[in-house]
Amino acid sequence: EVQLLESGGGLVQPGGSLRLSCAASGFTFSSYAMSWVRQAPGKGLEWVSVISTIGGSTYYPDSVKGRFTISRDNSKNTLYLQMNSLRAEDTAVYYCATAHDFWSTYYLNWGQGTLVTVSS
Amino acid sequence: EIVLTQSPGTLSLSPGERATLSCRASQSVSSSYLAWYQQKPGQAPRLLIYGASSRATGIPDRFSGSGSGTDFTLTISRLEPEDFAVYYCQQYGTSPGTFGQGTKVEIK
Repeated sequence: EVQLLESGGGLVQPGGSLRLSCAASGFTFSSYAMSWVRQAPGKGLEWVSVISTIGGSTYYPDSVKGRFTISRDNSKNTLYLQMNSLRAEDTAVYYCATAHDFWSTYYLNWGQGTLVTVSS
Repeated sequence: EIVLTQSPGTLSLSPGERATLSCRASQSVSSSYLAWYQQKPGQAPRLLIYGASSRATGIPDRFSGSGSGTDFTLTISRLEPEDFAVYYCQQYGTSPGTFGQGTKVEIK
């Protein structure tokens, strides 16, 4: 059974940093591109990053480019999201998800999410 | 960026009824790269449909997707109690992939 378990969320002040982790099990982690997708409270879904199978390629939307960094450790079956210069509008539940592909992708499996709150 | 507009915002139906959800794109979706997800309160989204009409693994056949170009539809042939949820469409043919704002299917 595919399992994705996010951790690392919490309350952070504007301008602060946070690192999210996603522990994967039940599938061959290194065979899948991986993504982070977020959902602001009561709102819809927004893709925030994707990383290729071996981590050589990454891609971000303009809303987080230059502030967020996605990475992975295939030896630990773990995905990361380093978030810097956080803003109030980054407040959301952050989900990690397996991606069907790197460039044109839908999301096969999702974790339960971790809540990030940016507030003073 | 392709904007997806879902309608209606809320659909009030009874168990056993047919649900028809619409997703309209601001420009043509490349190769019918459109997906549908279901999300229940407090849960993560679940993939239902990809490629506009292909059901994901384990999805019951009462869920079906159709459409091409700019107009797509998710149909639930007969609503079961567990189908009352929010449904999102997503296009992934043009980067960045974008989601619609969701349609809530509620019990009438």
